[in-house]
Amino acid sequence: GQQVMQIPQYQHVQEGEDFTTYCNSSTTLSNIQWYKQRPGGHPVFLIQLVKSGEVKKQKRLTFQFGEAKKNSSLHITATQTTDVGTYFCAGRNDYKLSFGAGTTVTVRA
Amino acid sequence: DGGITQSPKYLFRKEGQNVTLSCEQNLNHDAMYWYRQDPGQGLRLIYYSQIVNDFQKGDIAEGYSVSREKKESFPLTVTSAQKNPTAFYLCASSPWEDGWLLGQETQYFGPGTRLLVL
Repeated sequence: GQQVMQIPQYQHVQEGEDFTTYCNSSTTLSNIQWYKQRPGGHPVFLIQLVKSGEVKKQKRLTFQFGEAKKNSSLHITATQTTDVGTYFCAGRNDYKLSFGAGTTVTVRA
Repeated sequence: DGGITQSPKYLFRKEGQNVTLSCEQNLNHDAMYWYRQDPGQGLRLIYYSQIVNDFQKGDIAEGYSVSREKKESFPLTVTSAQKNPTAFYLCASSPWEDGWLLGQETQYFGPGTRLLVL
């Protein structure tokens, strides 16, 4: 079945530094979504990518969908303490939205 | 948040007991979902429903049951057959229009229920 894998599982970042989290699928996806879950909270939708090679930006966050539509990345520049949380990618194939295990981000001030 | 409410926030289950988690949405969404989240893991789909009086099993449906008698409500029962029920349970909804059929919908999550076994 479809599997979505995320790396790294944990990301410890110095405030002000950049980092990237990666998402890989075993199958071609029709779209990929990214969610953020703050500690103790619930996932909140960030963005959706649909087209091959698509790149979208939200302030310091840059999301990319691979050409083969099997991988995606989230790059955060100038990390801030507000970026703390777990970032999930979720890939859609047919009816099913499969979530990765998430990248949990902590920030050192 | 997002017009989805879940109750209770914390729930304790005794051995051999069935418990029901509530999920209500006022977003007029057709589709609703139940996920289970364990530490260090992503969200795993338990059941989903695209329309009233219809629902489908997800990846880990064993030991769970659902009903969808109203568009707004999608309760989840954790039965005694579920041997490891301790987890964070999340309910979500999404619109089921052309966007859903094209796989371009957004899922809106409730605040979740933490289930603990005594």
